[in-house]
Amino acid sequence: EPEVTQTPSHQVTQMGQEVILRCVPISNHLYFYWYRQILGQKVEFLVSFYNNEISEKSEIFDDQFSVERPDGSNFTLKIRSTKLEDSAMYFCASRAQGYYGYTFGSGTRLTVV
Amino acid sequence: DQQVKQNSPSLSVQEGRISILNCDYTNSMFDYFLWYKKYPAEGPTFLISISSIKDKNEDGRFTVFLNKSAKHLSLHIVPSQPGDSAVYFCAASGGFYTGTASKLTFGTGTRLQVTL
Repeated sequence: EPEVTQTPSHQVTQMGQEVILRCVPISNHLYFYWYRQILGQKVEFLVSFYNNEISEKSEIFDDQFSVERPDGSNFTLKIRSTKLEDSAMYFCASRAQGYYGYTFGSGTRLTVV
Repeated sequence: DQQVKQNSPSLSVQEGRISILNCDYTNSMFDYFLWYKKYPAEGPTFLISISSIKDKNEDGRFTVFLNKSAKHLSLHIVPSQPGDSAVYFCAASGGFYTGTASKLTFGTGTRLQVTL
């Protein structure tokens, strides 16, 4: 069964450093998303991406965040200057046109120290 | 901003019995609803969904019921199995019928434990 692949599975970074979280969505999917889950809280939407541009973003997704689909397969989330409160599980998801069963990756646990 | 609420943080059910997980929503623009199952250190796994024009959708042991007037949905698992023990998230999306559905809004989850 096709999977959404995320790397790394765990990233520890110092406050103020830049991090890039990587995702390989399912190949024929057209919509891409990043969500995050702070420990003990609900899964929160960050950003959606379609047709090589951001479709929607949440208020969490401020100027410190950016997304890219650099080569037609990878989908990356960059946090320019990490803060302690960015520590969370970050999930990438993708879905096909006309189908709403989003497929999620296993997540990247980001720990900012 | 709790547009999707799961008021029971945990539920314990005996193996073989029915598990009923509940979810309430406030946004009347939601027109598509999904249930996800999540194990620790893994991403959410899609289970079953329902659009707002239906009131029931069934897939094997899983059935989702939607009561639009009450803005309530529920997931029934019967019979419950130990492997069903996980956190279950209700999620909702708008724009399904206009083709613009994008983000999912998740509830806080219900931890189901199926005991022997």
